[in-house]
Amino acid sequence: GDSVTQMEGPVTLSEEAFLTINCTYTATGYPSLFWYVQYPGEGLQLLLKATKADDKGSNKGFEATYRKETTSFHLEKGSVQVSDSAVYFCAQADTGRRALTFGSGTRLQVQP
Amino acid sequence: DTAVSQTPKYLVTQMGNDKSIKCEQNLGHDTMYWYKQDSKKFLKIMFSYNNKELIINETVPNRFSPKSPDKAHLNLHINSLELGDSAVYFCASSQGSRGLAADTQYFGPGTRLTVL
Repeated sequence: GDSVTQMEGPVTLSEEAFLTINCTYTATGYPSLFWYVQYPGEGLQLLLKATKADDKGSNKGFEATYRKETTSFHLEKGSVQVSDSAVYFCAQADTGRRALTFGSGTRLQVQP
Repeated sequence: DTAVSQTPKYLVTQMGNDKSIKCEQNLGHDTMYWYKQDSKKFLKIMFSYNNKELIINETVPNRFSPKSPDKAHLNLHINSLELGDSAVYFCASSQGSRGLAADTQYFGPGTRLTVL
């Protein structure tokens, strides 16, 4: 079945460090891919998405590229801030499926 | 105005009780969802409605019953609450009459349910 695998957390970085959070997926079709972010005590917010191979989603300095050949959608940011501390979820929506399949989430802690 | 709202935000109750969580969206979306987030932050779809019609009903105990009085509301009723029901429940909505998950989903703030 469809699944999403994310790197285990927590990830602890110093401010201005480079961030990569790995995400891979398995799907029977050609899914759309998403990154959602959950700040402490809040609901999920869409961070970025990509709907087809080689698309790059970007928002707030975060980027992720849909790589069909490696079935990956890794999240990157060149310089993290303390305010980026949150839990990040990778998710997919396979063709025709009407719900998101989430990864287990990766907690990011950015220290000043 | 809040796009997707849930009430209550916190719910503490005893085992065996029946409780409801309400969700409303003012985005004009056609599709609404309920997700459960367990203590390890893992999120899983429970139900989805499209224009008041149930389109997803995952393997969830039948003690959980969604109700959609209109397309802007999707409530979750839980009978005979158990300790294992303790979790954060998120409502979400998306545009699109076909309810495809490729549409961006907008989440509510969550309801933290604690069963004692």
